[in-house]
Order: sequence, then structure tokens, then C-alpha cells
Amino acid sequence: GQQVMQIPQYQHVQEGEDFTTYCNSSTTLSNIQWYKQRPGGHPVFLIQLVKSGEVKKQKRLTFQFGEAKKNSSLHITATQTTDVGTYFCAGLQIFGNEKLTFGTGTRLTIIP
Amino acid sequence: NAGVTQTPKFQVLKTGQSMTLQCAQDMNHEYMSWYRQDPGMGLRLIHYSVGAGITDQGEVPNGYNVSRSTTEDFPLRLLSAAPSQTSVYFCASSYSGGLSYEQYFGPGTRLTVT
Repeated sequence: GQQVMQIPQYQHVQEGEDFTTYCNSSTTLSNIQWYKQRPGGHPVFLIQLVKSGEVKKQKRLTFQFGEAKKNSSLHITATQTTDVGTYFCAGLQIFGNEKLTFGTGTRLTIIP
Repeated sequence: NAGVTQTPKFQVLKTGQSMTLQCAQDMNHEYMSWYRQDPGMGLRLIHYSVGAGITDQGEVPNGYNVSRSTTEDFPLRLLSAAPSQTSVYFCASSYSGGLSYEQYFGPGTRLTVT
């Protein structure tokens, strides 16, 4: 079945450093979504990427979708304490039944 | 709009007990789903519904039942609770396009089975 792997599982960075999490799918995806979950909270949608090679930016966050539509990344520039949380990717497969598979997440902690 | 609401927020059950986790949304979303979240395993789909009267199994459906009699409500029933069902449960909804649209998550129910 479809698998979505996400690395690293944990990342500790000094405030002001950059952060990147990577998402890899075993199958070609229709689109990929990114979510953020604050400690004790629920996942909140950040963005969706649809096109091969697509790059989208949200302030300090840059999202990329690979050319083969099997991988994606989220890069945060100059992290702030408000960036703390777990970042999940979710890959949509539409061959046969639609299926959205979440990655295992990357937990980001910031050292002030 | 209240968005997606879930009750209860916390629940402790003994092995073998049954209960229903409630989920409601007021956004007129057709698509609703239930996930469980366990440490290191991300979110796994339990059951989903593409509209009233239509439900289907997700990745980990065993031990759970669902029904969808209205657009607004999508309850999750645990038939006979087991310690392996200790988890955080999230309900989510999205527009009629289903998974092609962002998922709106409820606040979650933290369930402990002893």
C-alpha cells in the first residue's frame, strides 16, 4: 500500500536557524498537503501543492513538490518560537479509491 | 461557525466497555473522516464518509463502527474497548471534493482504555 515517510522525526534548532522536513511517497501523488499541529492541539492545514515542481511560499515557509510528484519538502527560514509543533505532510493518491496518507510527522522544538 | 466539534475531550474506559465519540460540523461539508493518532505513527484513517448514508473503511477500521444519518454528524462507536485503542481521536471534514481539499480537524478526544 501507499507509504509516506517523513524525516527527520525530531529536530531541535536554535531560534533563528533554518529548519527543513522532507516527505517521500512510495507512489506518485495527485497532490500533497501540509499541516501543523501545535503541542496539545489539532492539525491545521497550511498549504496544498498540486503541480510537478511547484514551489509556494508563506512568509518564512517554503514548500516544494518534486518533479516526479513523489516527494516534498517544507523549509522554514529563521525559526521563531511560534514555529514549535509537529509538521505533517499528507499525500493524496487517486488511483482507484482516493486515499490521503499522512506522514509520521517531524516534531520541531526551538531552543531560545 | 463552530467548525468541527468533538465530545468528549477526555474519556477513560475499562476493557470491554463500549462508547460513542461524537463529531459534528456546521460547515455543510460532505466529506467527514475519523483518524487516530499514536506516538510516532502519524494520523491513520479509521473510517470515512462521502455524504449522508455513505461510509467506508479506512486503514485501521477493526473495532470501530460509524454511521452518517445527517450531513452534520459522524459518530464513531467503539464496540468493545481494548487497551490497543488508547489513542487520540480526531474527526475531520472537508468540502465535497473530499480529499482534494483541506481537511478541517476537530479538537480531538483523548481516550484511555485500562
